[in-house]
Amino acid sequence: GAGVSQSPSNKVTEKGKDVELRCDPISGHTALYWYRQSLGQGLEFLIYFQGNSAPDKSGLPSDRFSAERTGGSVSTLTIQRTQQEDSAVYLCASSSLGQLNTEAFFGQGTRLTVV
Amino acid sequence: DQQVKQNSPSLSVQEGRISILNCDYTNSMFDYFLWYKKYPAEGPTFLISISSIKDKNEDGRFTVFLNKSAKHLSLHIVPSQPGDSAVYFCAGSGAGSYQLTFGKGTKLSVIP
Repeated sequence: GAGVSQSPSNKVTEKGKDVELRCDPISGHTALYWYRQSLGQGLEFLIYFQGNSAPDKSGLPSDRFSAERTGGSVSTLTIQRTQQEDSAVYLCASSSLGQLNTEAFFGQGTRLTVV
Repeated sequence: DQQVKQNSPSLSVQEGRISILNCDYTNSMFDYFLWYKKYPAEGPTFLISISSIKDKNEDGRFTVFLNKSAKHLSLHIVPSQPGDSAVYFCAGSGAGSYQLTFGKGTKLSVIP
């Protein structure tokens, strides 16, 4: 597709269950980011992938959060044993290799609600 | 510790007038700043950016001003249009950094 695609667009889950959020970046973009936006907050950095390099996981809030990127393309963000404070919009973005400090293109986000 | 602050959560402006959105930052390592616009149920979209070697960057109706000594930047939209109504996020990044640090956003409402 032409843009960053995320699925599902909405997810309601029960506290304690695991969830998987998917991101399809723009074709050819080697950099992929996950951010989340909690209610009334800004965009919080979670994790960054660049090519085959080890990801920067410094933004992950707890060890219940993990992410992987297979084949340098699709990424999955997994949240285990979800808590109510995990409720947020999870945004994925991608950008081109070698264009540091350039704009990142965002998907429409996955709205996660933990009940 | 909020490294990027947008102190006005909302702003209302009459159509045709100037909208000024402000952003302050504390991280002196930031050397590149971006503004994103976000409509409801959509991801943020890039609007305009500025490097720390400049103090102004203009793109059509949008101009970003950077005051490094004050660690302050602002986005000017003139003339404002109803379609500009959205949440605007300011973001900063360090030299060669991929990580964007965002503010909490300012919701702009342009009144016809």
